[in-house]
Amino acid sequence: DAMVIQNPRYQVTQFGKPVTLSCSQTLNHNVMYWYQQKSSQAPKLLFHYYDKDFNNEADTPDNFQSRRPNTSFCFLDIRSPGLGDAAMYLCATSRATSGTSGDNEQFFGPGTRLTVL
Amino acid sequence: QKEVEQNSGPLSVPEGAIASLNCTYSDRVSQSFFWYRQYSGKSPELIMSIYSNGDKEDGRFTAQLNKASQYVSLLIRDSQPSDSATYLCAVNPPSGYSTLTFGKGTMLLVSP
Repeated sequence: DAMVIQNPRYQVTQFGKPVTLSCSQTLNHNVMYWYQQKSSQAPKLLFHYYDKDFNNEADTPDNFQSRRPNTSFCFLDIRSPGLGDAAMYLCATSRATSGTSGDNEQFFGPGTRLTVL
Repeated sequence: QKEVEQNSGPLSVPEGAIASLNCTYSDRVSQSFFWYRQYSGKSPELIMSIYSNGDKEDGRFTAQLNKASQYVSLLIRDSQPSDSATYLCAVNPPSGYSTLTFGKGTMLLVSP
């Protein structure tokens, strides 16, 4: 089945120790998104790629970086995790970012739960 | 600033009843609307999308859109305990380089 895969599902890191989260997709979608979601809050978009075109949200801290080496894979790098970065990190994909044909439906991976000690 | 508002709940309904979840949005030119279900500790799952005014039905779920009132709702008929989850409303503005704006979600509790 076509799907969005995230690894690892659970990640524990120490304060200030860099961490990389990965996402892969077999849907062949153009767009990949990274969201941060804290308890009882809406998913917060960090950035997204439309093909190789990177789009950073204005309020995404510089501590968060992303790479998309090919269509299938996207990585989230947290350079110096702080206690406030503990959250669920969600990867999502869509064929496009806008439209009324269903191309902008976003499909989420299972998420990575990040704990910062 | 574009906003999507939902009542945080919890909305409690007995098994078999109709659950009605509501969402309002501030960007009048929004064109695409989505409902996601999120179980505790899990990721959001797309359950309905709607693009034009009126009703759209899929099984026990009906999405209703009223662009004039900037209002979108989700009805769940014959609610089951397994429907207990948080339901997120998401809105996408029209063409251009745009992304989804999510509401904070409404928690639904269906009691046996």
